[in-house]
Amino acid sequence: QKEVEQNSGPLSVPEGAIASLNCTYSDRGSQSFFWYRQYSGKSPELIMSIYSNGDKEDGRFTAQLNKASQYVSLLIRDSQPSDSATYLCAVTPSFSGGYNKLIFGAGTRLAVHP
Amino acid sequence: GAGVSQSPRYKVAKRGQDVALRCDPISGHVSLFWYQQALGQGPEFLTYFQNEAQLDKSGLPSDRFFAERPEGSVSTLKIQRTQQEDSAVYLCASSANTGFSEQYFGPGTRLTVT
Repeated sequence: QKEVEQNSGPLSVPEGAIASLNCTYSDRGSQSFFWYRQYSGKSPELIMSIYSNGDKEDGRFTAQLNKASQYVSLLIRDSQPSDSATYLCAVTPSFSGGYNKLIFGAGTRLAVHP
Repeated sequence: GAGVSQSPRYKVAKRGQDVALRCDPISGHVSLFWYQQALGQGPEFLTYFQNEAQLDKSGLPSDRFFAERPEGSVSTLKIQRTQQEDSAVYLCASSANTGFSEQYFGPGTRLTVT
């Protein structure tokens, strides 16, 4: 079982729709959670961080964390073609030793079509 | 302000050559991480520095990999006697503090070993 799992996609959504990206993790003691966006040939760009159960909103993005079910999700409202990228879920495991030793999923490719 | 920078952006090495990859973190950032990203995968942790101290090198694949950050700012990842399996993108990330604070990535160095 992979430590952080994501559906590889592609997830195809029409422009203006809500894109829902999901991530599950195996380490119940995981402590912090991040979403990164990675365009092809570029490096990961931080979109959201979330540390406690519930929702966190930032502009068109909402991160949702449910520690009991061990999943974290990212909602993108009013999706735009420029949102087309790979979205990486990253988790700080319980064994990280007090620093942010991130474990990444393989990413979900999102395609927003006009 | 300036983000994380890395050089060179691209490196082609013949098998058996030594390479050195440089990372300039965001000014004042205490924590510095190196990750390796294979095609189609998420980044994988290599090593972590808190200031000049290398606190975790558990992700380094072999003793051919060596990293340093002698003055607590610029870091160098060195790979000796490169092998084809070392071909990947090497990413550097920094964060302002210790703990679980957000990490910001540089553009990466794409290493190709022929």
